Amino acid sequence: GAVVSQHPSRVICKSGTSVKIECRSLDFQATTMFWYRQFPKQSLMLMATSNEGSKATYEQGVEKDKFLINHASLTLSTLTVTSAHPEDSSFYICSARPSGADTQYFGPGTRLTVL
Amino acid sequence: QKEVEQNSGPLSVPEGAIASLNCTYSDRGSQSFFWYRQYSGKSPELIMSIYSNGDKEDGRFTAQLNKASQYVSLLIRDSQPSDSATYLCAALSWGAQKLVFGQGTRLTINP
Repeated sequence: GAVVSQHPSRVICKSGTSVKIECRSLDFQATTMFWYRQFPKQSLMLMATSNEGSKATYEQGVEKDKFLINHASLTLSTLTVTSAHPEDSSFYICSARPSGADTQYFGPGTRLTVL
Repeated sequence: QKEVEQNSGPLSVPEGAIASLNCTYSDRGSQSFFWYRQYSGKSPELIMSIYSNGDKEDGRFTAQLNKASQYVSLLIRDSQPSDSATYLCAALSWGAQKLVFGQGTRLTINP
């Protein structure tokens, strides 16, 4: 149980384009989902907390207009990187917390490369 | 500032020995603690959670919690080369939504 999927697993795009990443909880409902970014050999960095049906809460320094988060259902959250640039190239990982629980389960991650 | 501290390592342990990973936290309001394992290039996977003082065992893994000392540890018995990874300690405070992660300890098991 507690499986989280992400799609796509890997994406390469041109500078200036937008990329959407999906995060799904497959066997549980998740009121809260989280989006992280991780650069090579660095720690996880929380970007935002996403609550179903409400606006995401962004961490300090994360541009909400650049990283659009939508959590329209209890099993799906999306992260859209708008007007991507090479410095946005990173490993994006979502996690989901089952409703009523405090454990977070991570998706497999999406590796974004912006050319 | 709520912090979780881990020794970044690398920690090298011979195969078959016990690997001991340590973590301290600053927020006395922390209620739930988690150990995640992250292989290079992969996302974190949950190993164990612990909520009460004392030991919690799951197979070769034992988590230990001491709230008075604000200390969490993870013991890996009979270490295998496949245990080589970065281990992340995380804490969740009462009423909080987000986990506070340590920077991770890189563990290498030497055959």
